[in-house]
Amino acid sequence: QSALTQPASVSGSPGQSITISCTGTSTDISDYNYVSWYQQHPDKAPKLMISEVSNRPSGVSNRFSGSKSGNTASLTISGLQPEDEADYYCGSYTGTYVFGTGTKVTVL
Amino acid sequence: QVQLVESGGGVVQPGRSLRVSCAASGFTFRNYAMHWVRQAPGKGLEYMAVMSYDGSDKYYADSVKGRFTISRDNSKNTLYLQMNSLRPEDTAIYYCARDGPGTYLPDYWGQGTLVTVSS
Repeated sequence: QSALTQPASVSGSPGQSITISCTGTSTDISDYNYVSWYQQHPDKAPKLMISEVSNRPSGVSNRFSGSKSGNTASLTISGLQPEDEADYYCGSYTGTYVFGTGTKVTVL
Repeated sequence: QVQLVESGGGVVQPGRSLRVSCAASGFTFRNYAMHWVRQAPGKGLEYMAVMSYDGSDKYYADSVKGRFTISRDNSKNTLYLQMNSLRPEDTAIYYCARDGPGTYLPDYWGQGTLVTVSS
């Protein structure tokens, strides 16, 4: 299955909000609610930030939120902070498993 | 706390085999499906395989189907990935991850083990 499409990079200043999109190739994302988002700092393992489109695990800042519209899922980071600078990946299950292409978030 | 520790990575020649392991602790391993995900140097995440909590169901990505085998030993709280006929393009960090309950996708991840396929 082809990877989900994410923008290669997104940037913002401290305190701003940014949104990362994750688009499926057909109706995969629109038909299911199994979308997760992961944060990965350099040379570190991925960390779950959002599951099932919009559920935030315990311990994850409420500055992170997820949503879905049609075949596109989105991760929004509010009140951007320097420690949010990392790579972000979406992942989905629609009977098959696939990750997004990844987005590098830069805090200016 | 949940801990996943991968081991068994290293340098292997093309065409050879290698088995990587993942030791789990901090949760009831036998109750969870488990995943393998890899990441080539400087690249994104690529899904490899998943096994159900009791080993009865498996899923493989097309890129490794027929070459890689996922297995588990619930008595040892350990997940395995047997990799055969290795190719240079299999060079990557291999992560094991626990299945998030009801989500079908990983929640907790190990730190990974590096596999380098080179002559």
